[in-house]
Amino acid sequence: KAGVTQTPRYLIKTRGQQVTLSCSPISGHRSVSWYQQTPGQGLQFLFEYFSETQRNKGNFPGRFSGRQFSNSRSEMNVSTLELGDSALYLCASSWDRYNEKLFFGSGTQLSVL
Amino acid sequence: GDSVTQMEGPVTLSEEACLTINCTYTATGYPSLFWYVQYPGEGLQLLLKATKADDKGSNKGFEATYRKETTSFHLEKGSVQVSDSAVYFCALKEETSGSRLTFGEGTQLTVNP
Repeated sequence: KAGVTQTPRYLIKTRGQQVTLSCSPISGHRSVSWYQQTPGQGLQFLFEYFSETQRNKGNFPGRFSGRQFSNSRSEMNVSTLELGDSALYLCASSWDRYNEKLFFGSGTQLSVL
Repeated sequence: GDSVTQMEGPVTLSEEACLTINCTYTATGYPSLFWYVQYPGEGLQLLLKATKADDKGSNKGFEATYRKETTSFHLEKGSVQVSDSAVYFCALKEETSGSRLTFGEGTQLTVNP
């Protein structure tokens, strides 16, 4: 069974650009959540999607957005990139919103120059 | 709000030494508690979990007991191996928070042969 797949693996952008990251959950999983990992702030929750609806949102500016498609695949978008957005973005999936076991992808490493 | 505090790292041990990584938490409700492990270049993997007070989670020789009276969930292993070298994250999830995890800062463990 394939795990959580995130693409691309690495991304380099410049300030002011926008970026879209993709996450394909494990087959059958309907809940997808996103996390930002940085050396200074650690792991921080971005948002959670279930049944194509955002169910929960972390404390990030509106430049961070996401969506979920009918096949449970999810994308997150960051507009007007800032240097501080450089981070590893991790996606996690689970069967449903309240299942205890989350499965994480390997992440997308975003560098903003 | 919820928070998780881990012992400061990094931690360096010799093979077969005993390991303890301290974790304490603050939560408004009755959270589930987790330890995740992250190997270099990879996403997070669930190591063990406990869902209520006095529960003991265990996996691959690692153990942690949910102590409500001390709000702690310390990770222990009696004899570490070189392959245990990784970053370990303590995390909590409230019943009502869906897939949202609150993580500690992470503890880098290096085991030398």
